[in-house]
Amino acid sequence: DQQVKQNSPSLSVQEGRISILNCDYTNSMFDYFLWYKKYPAEGPTFLISISSIKDKNEDGRFTVFLNKSAKHLSLHIVPSQPGDSAVYFCAASEVSNDYKLSFGAGTTVTVRA
Amino acid sequence: GAGVSQTPSNKVTEKGKYVELRCDPISGHTALYWYRQSLGQGPEFLIYFQGTGAADDSGLPNDRFFAVRPEGSVSTLKIQRTERGDSAVYLCASSLIAGRTYNEQFFGPGTRLTVL
Repeated sequence: DQQVKQNSPSLSVQEGRISILNCDYTNSMFDYFLWYKKYPAEGPTFLISISSIKDKNEDGRFTVFLNKSAKHLSLHIVPSQPGDSAVYFCAASEVSNDYKLSFGAGTTVTVRA
Repeated sequence: GAGVSQTPSNKVTEKGKYVELRCDPISGHTALYWYRQSLGQGPEFLIYFQGTGAADDSGLPNDRFFAVRPEGSVSTLKIQRTERGDSAVYLCASSLIAGRTYNEQFFGPGTRLTVL
């Protein structure tokens, strides 16, 4: 059963505008959340993370927001750049086995020039 | 420095055959992970090694799947009597250590396995 869900398989955005990617989870034991970015023929690379004790974490153009009560997180990319075109995976882990990442199915982002 | 490497990059086999997939982690990384990514899905955890031992193999789908890491570095994922449903991209990742320090998992490019 999918415990991490990314309901939008794709997103198209104009260069310079904001990209907003959404992720929902069902497991209330998740306490750490990550976003990975994946280019074709490459493995996923870590982008940004957030602990459940926070509701926001920012790193340059990337900001992750966490709403624990709604079991929802989002990734904001602003401004979007052509190099941001990739598949983005949301992932989560529990404190009891924090090495085990549960991934969503991914959202393919296309940034249009 | 070199990242995680996986060989082969592509493997085509026939139903019922045996396959081995290899992972070379980043030098010095003690934790190693295998994930499987089926078409249209995200990576799914298979097994985690801390050093030479499999600390958690709860994600292996059945006893046809087995993984080893005899010297605490290179790991091999072994699949016996392959089935068409085993077709997927098998990803390997490594991290400096595992645990609450949330060591980043570095992923290899994966091995695409196709079972005909």
